[in-house]
Amino acid sequence: NAGVMQNPRHLVRRRGQEARLRCSPMKGHSHVYWYRQLPEEGLKFMVYLQKENIIDESGMPKERFSAEFPKEGPSILRIQQVVRGDSAAYFCASTKSTSRANVLTFGAGSRLTVL
Amino acid sequence: GENVEQHPSTLSVQEGDSAVIKCTYSDSASNYFPWYKQELGKRPQLIIDIRSNVGEKKDQRIAVTLNKTAKHFSLHITETQPEDSAVYFCAAGATGTASKLTFGTGTRLQVML
Repeated sequence: NAGVMQNPRHLVRRRGQEARLRCSPMKGHSHVYWYRQLPEEGLKFMVYLQKENIIDESGMPKERFSAEFPKEGPSILRIQQVVRGDSAAYFCASTKSTSRANVLTFGAGSRLTVL
Repeated sequence: GENVEQHPSTLSVQEGDSAVIKCTYSDSASNYFPWYKQELGKRPQLIIDIRSNVGEKKDQRIAVTLNKTAKHFSLHITETQPEDSAVYFCAAGATGTASKLTFGTGTRLQVML
C-alpha cells in the first residue's frame, strides 16, 4: 500500500500563474480532505470531497481556489492567479467510507512557493 | 463550527521528564479526538486517538485523557526522549461521513539532553 500520494512535492510559481496539486488517496479510501499549513502554523481545513462530489468546502477561499475528485484519477486542488500569500504546504488526507472515517492518513504534502 | 484551542504553543522539557499538552473544544457533537505528531518538513502522523466513549487511553509512553463535560482533552508523554521533539497537534471531529477534523494550533515540544 503506497499510502497517500501527493505531487508535486515542491512547486514554484510566479505571481499570477496557476498551481495544480494532485492527490491520490490510499487504496480503498474514497474520501479526500485538503488542508493548508502556513509556515509555523497549524493545519487549516480547506475542502472535503468524495468521488465526483464536494461535501464541504467551507474552508476554501471564495476566489481563485477550486478542488475536484473525478471518478477516475487523483483529486486536484487548483489555485489560479497565485499570490505570495498562497505560499504554504498543502496536505491531502484520505479516509475510508466506514465508521473509521476521520482517521486521517496524510500525504507528504505539496510545498508551494510563490515568487 | 468547531473551535479547538491548544496550549502551550511551545514546551521544553528535560529528557526523562513528562510533557503534557492540553486542548479544549467547543462543539459538543465532537466525539473523536486524535493527536498528530509532525517532524520538521514531514507529514502529520497519527500517534494516538480517543473516542468519547472512553475517558483515557494509553499506548506505551503516550496517554490521552478526555473530559467531555468540560470539553477538554490532554496528551501525556512520559519518559520523554530526544526523538519526541516535534510539533504536536490535537484535533476534534465527529465520526461518520460528511464531517471534518478541526486542528489546534500546535505545540512545539523540545526535549533537551
